[in-house]
Amino acid sequence: EAGVAQSPRYKIIEKRQSVAFWCNPISGHATLYWYQQILGQGPKLLIQFQNNGVVDDSQLPKDRFSAERLKGVDSTLKIQPAKLEDSAVYLCASSLEASYSYEQYFGPGTRLTVT
Amino acid sequence: AQSVSQHNHHVILSEAASLELGCNYSYGGTVNLFWYVQYPGQHLQLLLKYFSGDPLVKGIKGFEAEFIKSKFSFNLRKPSVQWSDTAEYVCAVNALSGNTGKLIFGQGTTLQVKP
Repeated sequence: EAGVAQSPRYKIIEKRQSVAFWCNPISGHATLYWYQQILGQGPKLLIQFQNNGVVDDSQLPKDRFSAERLKGVDSTLKIQPAKLEDSAVYLCASSLEASYSYEQYFGPGTRLTVT
Repeated sequence: AQSVSQHNHHVILSEAASLELGCNYSYGGTVNLFWYVQYPGQHLQLLLKYFSGDPLVKGIKGFEAEFIKSKFSFNLRKPSVQWSDTAEYVCAVNALSGNTGKLIFGQGTTLQVKP
């Protein structure tokens, strides 16, 4: 079974530039999560999708971050414009359904450095 | 707001030493509890979980964790660590109200085992 795929693995940009991350979840997983992990902190949920609908985006900075999962499969997370404090690892995870009963499987993450 | 605290940020042990990593959460209701592990160069993966029943939970690779409700704790233990246990360990909580699968993570503990 293929795991959660993410690209790129690393990205370096200057502040005020834009960047996009891509995630392809495990086949058949209806729920997709994007987390932000700043150095020295645990992952923080940015947005959760159930198929192509948003379940929770309460901690997504909507003035600069956007995410979509148009066909209910893969997803893109965008930052525009980036700030220095956006430097972090962006993790994508998926699960069968949006419930504590189902294990979340994580991708390798994208390490973003904003200079 | 819910939060998870891991008081040990960096632990260094010699092989065969016993391990205990602390995890405390703040939420008064019913919770599910998780420990995730990230080995060097690998993805975050589930180590063990507690939903209900026996508060002593066994996970993979000889790890176990004990849920103490009165102390809001879910400490991770292993009687004898190996060099291969060197990794990042992250505790997470899912509050059952809402049941969207959303996880709140602690900041993680880096374990270094010296051969």
